[in-house]
Amino acid sequence: DSGVTQTPKHLITATGQRVTLRCSPRSGDLSVYWYQQSLDQGLQFLIQYYNGEERAKGNILERFSAQQFPDLHSELNLSSLELGDSALYFCASGGIGGDSYEQYFGPGTRLTVT
Amino acid sequence: GEDVEQSLFLSVREGDSSVINCTYTDSSSTYLYWYKQEPGAGLQLLTYIFSNMDMKQDQRLTVLLNKKDKHLSLRIADTQTGDSAIYFCAESRWDNTGKLIFGQGTTLQVKP
Repeated sequence: DSGVTQTPKHLITATGQRVTLRCSPRSGDLSVYWYQQSLDQGLQFLIQYYNGEERAKGNILERFSAQQFPDLHSELNLSSLELGDSALYFCASGGIGGDSYEQYFGPGTRLTVT
Repeated sequence: GEDVEQSLFLSVREGDSSVINCTYTDSSSTYLYWYKQEPGAGLQLLTYIFSNMDMKQDQRLTVLLNKKDKHLSLRIADTQTGDSAIYFCAESRWDNTGKLIFGQGTTLQVKP
């Protein structure tokens, strides 16, 4: 158990819909990272928040957004969903801001868009 | 560039050593990581190495880093069937973010 929690574990929704994925980082970690894992793109970095502020952006679509709340949990919002958004979405915490550079991943949310 | 490259598949016999290789292109890499992903599961951090080190050993795992050739390897001694999984190499850079850039993963198959 990495200490990073993600909900829900599975999500099935239709094209055009909007969903919210939730992540709680390990206790004490200020950084939250979101990654997308798909068969064609592999594991790709989407966005990072550090202590409530956006720190870095990767290959994140404009239809996607994220935020980190004062209690440090984070949400990834995916809207106007397309079939190609079906993927495993991981949240990770750690990386920077602590004494180590270890980055721990949650179990992921599997999104299926039909 | 952004590329981290790995071979896609490796098959070994139980009890043998496995060596999984990775190459990266950016010389500003700071830390290099190995993660393990079992079917239907998340990513488990196995080990990582700072870019000024050549080697790190942790029980059955040995990481070798050749910074000149930008080559990283993970050796698993006495490979067991429970080691069957996908292994990802990843790097982070001197960009004050800590974001990881992943290779495409190497599927390790361990035959009994």
